[in-house]
Amino acid sequence: DAKTTQPNSMESNEEEPVHLPCNHSTISGTDYIHWYRQLPSQGPEYVIHGLTSNVNNRMASLAIAEDRKSSTLILHRATLRDAAVYYCILRPNSGGSNYKLTFGKGTLLTVNP
Amino acid sequence: GAVVSQHPSWVICKSGTSVKIECRSLDFQATTMFWYRQFPKQSLMLMATSNEGSKATYEQGVEKDKFLINHASLTLSTLTVTSAHPEDSSFYICSARGSNARRSPLHFGNGTRLTVT
Repeated sequence: DAKTTQPNSMESNEEEPVHLPCNHSTISGTDYIHWYRQLPSQGPEYVIHGLTSNVNNRMASLAIAEDRKSSTLILHRATLRDAAVYYCILRPNSGGSNYKLTFGKGTLLTVNP
Repeated sequence: GAVVSQHPSWVICKSGTSVKIECRSLDFQATTMFWYRQFPKQSLMLMATSNEGSKATYEQGVEKDKFLINHASLTLSTLTVTSAHPEDSSFYICSARGSNARRSPLHFGNGTRLTVT
């Protein structure tokens, strides 16, 4: 499976934007880029995903580089509830409904009040 | 949004006993369910994949006779940790996906904290 590289940790201030980077230089042409986050003592939560174009939803925006070798998750205004581990995961296009998500170490985001 | 319910949220058991964890999809039919394990300060490790009505597929290194998975219906999968030992103490998380795999992300339960004494 193609791997992703994320910083171990990042810090932000409340109500400021946060840009969480992810490198995936070995991404294949049809891999989807998924982002999940895990709050303390909870299961992961889906955030956003994309293939080639930038994506927006109510939680965040996903900016995908033109060569698809990197992406950035953007939280427009961080809140204390956004403090979590953020995982950038490549979802292989093969495998049909059985595609598996392999979690890396993610980025621990700390939000300061 | 889609909801996955996991029960119990925590359990303490004695060494040598078995523990069953349930994972239910509340408002969609989960054709595929996944079971993960997470040790403190580590990432999630996939244990097995199960499809409704068929045998689970286990990841390398996961003992299928120790971690019994049953996916008897489109809304319920169970993980039974048999003859639990202290090293099985961990955070177990299930996830589920609907039939439209290309468009549906994984939905996760809130996990079960297992402590084996």
